[in-house]
Amino acid sequence: EAQVTQNPRYLITVTGKKLTVTCSQNMNHEYMSWYRQDPGLGLRQIYYSMNVEVTDKGDVPEGYKVSRKEKRNFPLILESPSPNQTSLYFCASSLRGLLDEQYFGPGTRLTVT
Amino acid sequence: AQSVAQPEDQVNVAEGNPLTVKCTYSVSGNPYLFWYVQYPNRGLQFLLKYITGDNLVKGSYGFEAEFNKSQTSFHLKKPSALVSDSALYFCAVRGDTGRRALTFGSGTRLQVQP
Repeated sequence: EAQVTQNPRYLITVTGKKLTVTCSQNMNHEYMSWYRQDPGLGLRQIYYSMNVEVTDKGDVPEGYKVSRKEKRNFPLILESPSPNQTSLYFCASSLRGLLDEQYFGPGTRLTVT
Repeated sequence: AQSVAQPEDQVNVAEGNPLTVKCTYSVSGNPYLFWYVQYPNRGLQFLLKYITGDNLVKGSYGFEAEFNKSQTSFHLKKPSALVSDSALYFCAVRGDTGRRALTFGSGTRLQVQP
């Protein structure tokens, strides 16, 4: 089944404790992206990747890191999480880029206390 | 800067009636426009997109959207609403010049009453 998977689905952590949210897709898509969803703000893009070893900042990259060492994986790293990073995070992928249909993962709800 | 406005936080409609979810945008150059739907506790699902061509775009689940360049709008429509259409709907845009990221609206909750 074609899908985007994220882990973990739920995470509660404390300020400053490094964490990684994994994202994997099995569709051989070139483009992958991370979004955060906050009430009243819709989705905001954090980082995106056009292909392996090619990443770029979205609208809200501060406090986040990403890497794209393999085509299928695009982990999101929070080196020192803060409470304002409490949010619902979505990973998405598409075949070539933003003009193609994006497939979204199920989401990761992160709480930073 | 590119932006999307979804002026209604919630739209209520009776089952069987037509529905419209509004979206207006601002971008540099020509717009690429999208609608996505989010069901409870799920990720977003693609409904339809406008890249170029016919102003009326047909998508999944009987939805369609009309691109109106003069009014910078891309309203989502369906002739006959179903209870199962109840969900959160997002409009998104990017321009063909300038910023390459996709900008989403804040979302509109559609509630279809039986």
